[in-house]
This record gives sequence, C-alpha cells and structure tokens, in this order.
Amino acid sequence: KNEVEQSPQNLTAQEGEFITINCSYSVGISALHWLQQHPGGGIVSLFMLSSGKKKHGRLIATINIQEKHSSLHITASHPRDSAVYICAVRKVRQFYFGTGTSLTVIP
Amino acid sequence: DAGVTQSPTHLIKTRGQHVTLRCSPISGHKSVSWYQQVLGQGPQFIFQYYEKEERGRGNFPDRFSARQFPNYSSELNVNALLLGDSALYLCASSPNGPDEQYFGPGTRLTVT
Repeated sequence: KNEVEQSPQNLTAQEGEFITINCSYSVGISALHWLQQHPGGGIVSLFMLSSGKKKHGRLIATINIQEKHSSLHITASHPRDSAVYICAVRKVRQFYFGTGTSLTVIP
Repeated sequence: DAGVTQSPTHLIKTRGQHVTLRCSPISGHKSVSWYQQVLGQGPQFIFQYYEKEERGRGNFPDRFSARQFPNYSSELNVNALLLGDSALYLCASSPNGPDEQYFGPGTRLTVT
C-alpha cells in the first residue's frame, strides 16, 4: 500500500490542452510537494503547499487538506512540459513519494 | 550560484562491495536529504541531515548510512551491495528544515 497515489500514471496530450494530474495521500502531512523530473533524472521542485492554491506561470497547484487531495494543473500545455510529475508529502521527518505521472505533450 | 552537486555521476560496482556517494549542498543550505529512485518508481526517502545530525530516516537496512560534515556536505555509504541497490541516488538540500528541496542531478549506481 502506497501512502501517496497519483493518477493518471501516463498522460498524452495535444499542445495547448489543459492538463490535470491528481494526488491522493493517506497520512497526515506537514507539506505537499510537486516535482518535475526530466529524462536523465534531474528533479526540479515546482511547488510546496500546505494549504490553498499556488500559481507559477502556466502551472497551478491546489490542495484540499480535509480530503487529502492535491491537483497539479498545466494550462496551454507545450511539448517542453513533457516530463514525469511526482507528488511528495512530508509527515514530520519522513517523505513519501508517488510513483509519478508521465506526461507527453504532442505538437 | 552553483546548485547541488553530486559525485560521481555514474558508478558500477560488484555485489558485496561498498560504495560512497557524495553531495555538496547549495551554499548556505544546512539540510541535506538522500533519496533512492529505482527505475520506473518514485524516489524513496533514505535520510535527512540538519546541522550534522540525523533528523529523519526512511525504511532502509543498516547497510545504508550517512553523515554530514561541518561544511554541510554529505556522504551516503552503502555496504554489502545487492543487485537491488541499483538505482539513481538523489541528494537534495534546503536552507533549514526539509521543506524547500533543491535536488542534485543524482548518482546512477549499477550493481552487477
């Protein structure tokens, strides 16, 4: 049983489409992170959330603490958004990661 | 400003050997965390160090150990390597606690 579940596992979209990736977790958390991992392994931290909503350019992340759920939205998707998106939660001194959502945006 | 650096980039070891991986955090960052990412899976948390003290530990056997030095750089040691230890090992630093994580490029370890 994974403490963090992501859906979908794989996602293919046409350039310009609005994309949503979902994350559900089963533990009480201090914070939730959305990470982006490109082929080759490099990871970039996109957002850290403990409540509400954050926006960075075309990326929006929301979290509902009561429902233990977070979403990552990408507006006007672009081929350069193609990557694996990972949800991670921190509970006290432990981190738990989802297995990632592999996104491919087709021109 | 240099980001998080890790060395080596790639490493091939034989079962039963020992390995040491190194991480240099961003200047001014006092916290370092280590993660293991097996191919096709999400990262798994191994350790977190802050001010040279272990502050968090994931579900890994005692063959895995780490330490943080006075300059805040860190080493991850793995003894008695198993084939299943083959993975990308990621280091991340943050200014204080483990919240805002900045990841290094990783060390890809292959155990044959």
